[in-house]
Amino acid sequence: GAVVSQHPSWVICKSGTSVKIECRSLDFQATTMFWYRQFPKQSLMLMATSNEGSKATYEQGVEKDKFLINHASLTLSTLTVTSAHPEDSSFYICSAWTSGGSYEQYFGPGTRLTVT
Amino acid sequence: KQEVTQIPAALSVPEGENLVLNCSFTDSAIYNLQWFRQDPGKGLTSLLLIQSSQREQTSGRLNASLDKSSGRSTLYIAASQPGDSATYLCAVGNTGKLIFGQGTTLQVKP
Repeated sequence: GAVVSQHPSWVICKSGTSVKIECRSLDFQATTMFWYRQFPKQSLMLMATSNEGSKATYEQGVEKDKFLINHASLTLSTLTVTSAHPEDSSFYICSAWTSGGSYEQYFGPGTRLTVT
Repeated sequence: KQEVTQIPAALSVPEGENLVLNCSFTDSAIYNLQWFRQDPGKGLTSLLLIQSSQREQTSGRLNASLDKSSGRSTLYIAASQPGDSATYLCAVGNTGKLIFGQGTTLQVKP
């Protein structure tokens, strides 16, 4: 149980275009989802926290107008990278958490974004 | 602000050796601590979760301990194998947010 999927697993896009990444909890309802970013040879950095039906909370230094997060249902959150630039190239990982549990986060397999 | 530090940054050991990875954190007000494994280019595999009220957790050859008062956790790997080669990340949780350490990259040589 507690499976989280991400789609796509990798994507290449041109500079200036937008890319949407989906994060789904497959066998549980995720009241909260988290988006992380990982640059090469670095650790994961939390970008934002999204609760179903409300606006996402962004970490300091993360541009909310550039990284649009929508958590429209208890099983789906999306991250849209708008007007992507090469410096946005990174590994994006989502995780999901259900309330009333052990606060354990379940992670998706990640999405590799390359902006050319 | 919570800071998580892992030492060493890299470790190379011969197969069969027992080893300890260290994680320290600055704010003891945590809900839990998780250890993860990450293979190159891949996502995270959760290894062990220790709740703040617990002292240790075990899974197979892995044992993780938690000392909140001193802000430390250790991951003990017994009888290491080449398949254990990966980056090991610890992360401390508070109200759902996870703060990650920089990781320890482990190489187990046959």
